[in-house]
Amino acid sequence: AQSVTQLDSHVSVSEGTPVLLRCNYSSSYSPSLFWYVQHPNKGLQLLLKYTSAATLVKGINGFEAEFKKSETSFHLTKPSAHMSDAAEYFCVVIPLSGGYNKLIFGAGTRLAVHP
Amino acid sequence: EPEVTQTPSHQVTQMGQEVILRCVPISNHLYFYWYRQILGQKVEFLVSFYNNEISEKSEIFDDQFSVERPDGSNFTLKIRSTKLEDSAMYFCASTPTAPYEQYFGPGTRLTVT
Repeated sequence: AQSVTQLDSHVSVSEGTPVLLRCNYSSSYSPSLFWYVQHPNKGLQLLLKYTSAATLVKGINGFEAEFKKSETSFHLTKPSAHMSDAAEYFCVVIPLSGGYNKLIFGAGTRLAVHP
Repeated sequence: EPEVTQTPSHQVTQMGQEVILRCVPISNHLYFYWYRQILGQKVEFLVSFYNNEISEKSEIFDDQFSVERPDGSNFTLKIRSTKLEDSAMYFCASTPTAPYEQYFGPGTRLTVT
């Protein structure tokens, strides 16, 4: 069965420093992977997606993620954190065997950004 | 930019009561979903809906739950007899085709007392 594991439940960084949120996936197929962000009391917003094109994927707000098949990883990075980046981030996979693309969510990583 | 909308934003109900959560998906989308997120837990898939029928449902989606697309725009989730453990944030999502990224609404927070 396909799944994702987010390796950190909480990450804390200072404003202006790099962000790294880690995600490993488990899949028998070439997966479709996503990162979603959830700001407090808001819905889920798509940050970026990987669908077997370029392995380095750029998203909104300066975020990017690199698909590494050899490491089964899809880590999310940003060179310089802003206060507005404080939110919960979810790594998500589509189990392609299903056909109707229900999303499978990781447990989430809460990012705190300090001045 | 088109977006998924959900009403109400917050619903409080008593145990045993029926609730209907409403969603308006993006107009040209064909696949519709409900997810829920219990406080402090993962976002969980409940059900997917395509071509006016359920295409997949999770173990959570038992006989107490039903979905409907009563007209060309609304997509509803009904819980017939709510339990305390149904308290959660419920998200509606839609997508134009499968597999594809899904677009989420802002959620309805359901509180069962």
